[in-house]
Amino acid sequence: QSALTQPASVSGSPGQSITISCTGTSSDVGNYNFVSWFQQHPGKAPKLIIFDVSNRPSGVSNRFSGSKSGNTASLTISGLQAEDEADYFCSSYTSSVTLGVFGGGTKLTVL
Amino acid sequence: QLQLQESGPGLVKPSETLSLTCTVSGGSISSSRYFWGWIRQPPGKGLEWIESVYYTATTYYNPSLKSRVTISVDTSKNQFSLKLSSVTAADTAVYYCARHLPITIFGVVRMGTAFDIWGQGTMVTVSS
Repeated sequence: QSALTQPASVSGSPGQSITISCTGTSSDVGNYNFVSWFQQHPGKAPKLIIFDVSNRPSGVSNRFSGSKSGNTASLTISGLQAEDEADYFCSSYTSSVTLGVFGGGTKLTVL
Repeated sequence: QLQLQESGPGLVKPSETLSLTCTVSGGSISSSRYFWGWIRQPPGKGLEWIESVYYTATTYYNPSLKSRVTISVDTSKNQFSLKLSSVTAADTAVYYCARHLPITIFGVVRMGTAFDIWGQGTMVTVSS
């Protein structure tokens, strides 16, 4: 069982917006603005798309945005495109001995 | 452009030690204020952070694996390595090396989880 909870799957049609949630606790998401999001296509390494809750690395499309409320962080993808179909993982710093935790991942299907 | 590349055996026998090396090119592993770490992903499952080393050579381990793992750095070769002992089938996974960014909490540098540059990953199967 992953330390951060994500929905197993989400889906949307091209052009729509979707949101993926990532729920943690006051030891991680709730008290620290150090949430990251990764996109992973099949057979590929994960790619960092959001860090520090809402910052995008250089080169990442502005269709990807991140936010946080309480113990839940969210990734929103607007203007869905076929190429967005992938697995998405969240991660967070944690004050527990684990130091860093990941979510279980969410499979995004573009209908 | 910084690149990371994992290398090592793709098959390890149960109870033996898994050894992997990550070679960093396009930048020095010791001159940058970054963390260098290992993450694994069992087939069809999620990501698990294993261990990391800061450019100061300070090491960090996932408590669930701490008794079995070591991380070492060879600055002359610009490499860092993972050793995981007493492996079982549960250690079968794709192993990635990655660079990650430090964070600062109350003025103290901590290990963050923004893994910004990844190797391509290497599949390791534990089987006799």
